[in-house]
Amino acid sequence: QVQLQQWGAGLLKPSETLSLTCAVNGGSFSGYYWSWIRQPPGKGLEWVGEINHSGISNYNPSLKSRVTISVDTSKHQFSLRLSSVTAADTAVYYCARGLRGVVVTTLDYWGQGTLATVSS
Amino acid sequence: SSELTQDPAVSVALGQAVRVTCQGDSLRKYYASWYQQKPGQAPVLVFYGEKNRPSGIPDRFSGSSSGNTASLTITGAQAEDEADYYCNSRDSSGNHLVFGGGTKLTVL
Repeated sequence: QVQLQQWGAGLLKPSETLSLTCAVNGGSFSGYYWSWIRQPPGKGLEWVGEINHSGISNYNPSLKSRVTISVDTSKHQFSLRLSSVTAADTAVYYCARGLRGVVVTTLDYWGQGTLATVSS
Repeated sequence: SSELTQDPAVSVALGQAVRVTCQGDSLRKYYASWYQQKPGQAPVLVFYGEKNRPSGIPDRFSGSSSGNTASLTITGAQAEDEADYYCNSRDSSGNHLVFGGGTKLTVL
């Protein structure tokens, strides 16, 4: 049984850096892409970025200049850092496991979500 | 703006079939995945690829694809199927994931 447990600071001030970590329990850590997805209050899902166990990462072009996703394979954890946050970054942030095939990529396990609020 | 387009809202009578669609150029190359999200909960994968239904998902959920359109069909909708449904796939470059804007399904 795969479980993703995530944590991080929930209240930030503008210009600060959002930092979240997701721990993977159960299943293999290699062979998957590990994603972050966010959802502003009342809005849809937005993919933030992904990383694999080798540290190869891809980011949403609209966030690329501010996002860093890192991985700690020894702990089966991956982390998100989003710099220079504004109120527009207020959202529930989810971590998820990505199955990447030739013609399909799917997110089959999700964390519980963490609300990050940016307010002065 | 999303590269995948979904109808914002769809309704279905209890026990009837309903189709939720997702359009985008990348769907000519990549299959879609479908997620169900209920208020206050994380999304749940309900169908992906050509014919994959995760364990525990009722077989009334099925998927199909034609050209630039992917569809999720619920055959015999139940009250508990009322939720938001999101599609996603790789974008045309293959380097990024994209989500559709979501469809709110109401079961009447």
